[in-house]
Formats: sequence, C-alpha cells, structure tokens
Amino acid sequence: ETGVTQSPTHLIKTRGQQVTLRCSSQSGHNTVSWYQQALGQGPQFIFQYYREEENGRGNFPPRFSGLQFPNYSSELNVNALELDDSALYLCASSPQGREGNTGELFFGEGSRLTVL
Amino acid sequence: QKEVEQNSGPLSVPEGAIASLNCTYSDRVSQSFFWYRQYSGKSPELIMSIYSNGDKEDGRFTAQLNKASQYVSLLIRDSQPSDSATYLCAVNRGGYSTLTFGKGTMLLVSP
Repeated sequence: ETGVTQSPTHLIKTRGQQVTLRCSSQSGHNTVSWYQQALGQGPQFIFQYYREEENGRGNFPPRFSGLQFPNYSSELNVNALELDDSALYLCASSPQGREGNTGELFFGEGSRLTVL
Repeated sequence: QKEVEQNSGPLSVPEGAIASLNCTYSDRVSQSFFWYRQYSGKSPELIMSIYSNGDKEDGRFTAQLNKASQYVSLLIRDSQPSDSATYLCAVNRGGYSTLTFGKGTMLLVSP
C-alpha cells in the first residue's frame, strides 16, 4: 500500500510569486485535506477535497486554492506569496468523505516552503 | 479561548517513567479525538484515536477521554528516548474529516 506522497519536499520562493504543491493520496483514500503548519504551531486546516469538489475550507484567503483530480491526487496553489506563508504544507488523505468517516487523517511528509 | 489547548512543555521524564500528556477542547459537539506524534522536521503520525468516554489502550499508549470535562489525555508507559517528540492533540466534530489541532506538547525522555 502506497502512502501519501508530496512534492516538492523543499522550495524557496520570493514574495509575490506563485507556488503549486502536489499530493498523491494513499491508495483507496478519496478525500484529501491540506494543512499549513507554521514553526511551533499545530497544523491549520486550509481546505479539503472529496471527489474533485471542495468540501470545506478554513480561514485562509482566496489566494489559496486547490484542485483534486479523478485519481484523487491534489494540488495546492498559493498566489501572491507573502512572508507569512513560509511554513510546512501538509497533505493528508482519509478513506471516506462527507458523512460517516472516522476523522483519521494520514499525512504525507510535507512540502516546506520558504518565502524570502 | 483556543479550541484545543495543550501545554507546550517541554515535559521531561526519565527513561522508564510514565509520561502524561493533556489536552482540553472547547467545542462540546466534538466527537472524535486523536493523538499524533511529530518528530522534529517530520510530519504528524497518528498514534491513537478515541471516540467514547473512558480509556483505550494500545501497547504502551493509553488514551483517556472525559467528554463532560472536555478533556483528553495520553499516557505513555515505560517511556523511551525514541518517544521524544511533539505530541499533537486533535479533535473532530464528526461527519467531515476536518481536524482542529492544538499547538502540541514537546516530550523529552532522558536516558
């Protein structure tokens, strides 16, 4: 069974640029969530995708956007990067969406973004 | 009031001791509760989930839930240096798998 994989693992951008982060969900998991973890903080929910539709969104501005593809992989896009966007971006998959899931999330290794 | 609160630590215990990690949450409709372990520079790893009041044991780990007090704890018996990590408490309101995390408690186990 393949776990959650993310790419790239590390990247450096400058303020104002755009970034795309990618995630492949664990085999059999149809729901993907993205979290932002700043240094010394717990992960903060960005949004979730279930069957290619956004299924919930946290308190993040519209310049954070995403996609989910038919194979359940996903992208996180961030436009107009700001210094405070520097963080570890975590993708997590879960086996069920909508009602009835247990809430368990399985995380990838993350993409560490540094904005200069 | 923060939704999920944890003491940031560090909590220092000697090898072989019991480590006790605590978490409180504010949303009374929370239904699912999780403990994740996160090593420095790594991603969170699920170690325990608990859904009903009482204790749940898995090896050296015991999760305890008290919904009336809005309190979740994790006990680690026979602590090992390899247990040194940050432990994140997370809660879910049910239905959708959206977790709210605390800031985490750093645990240091000394040989």
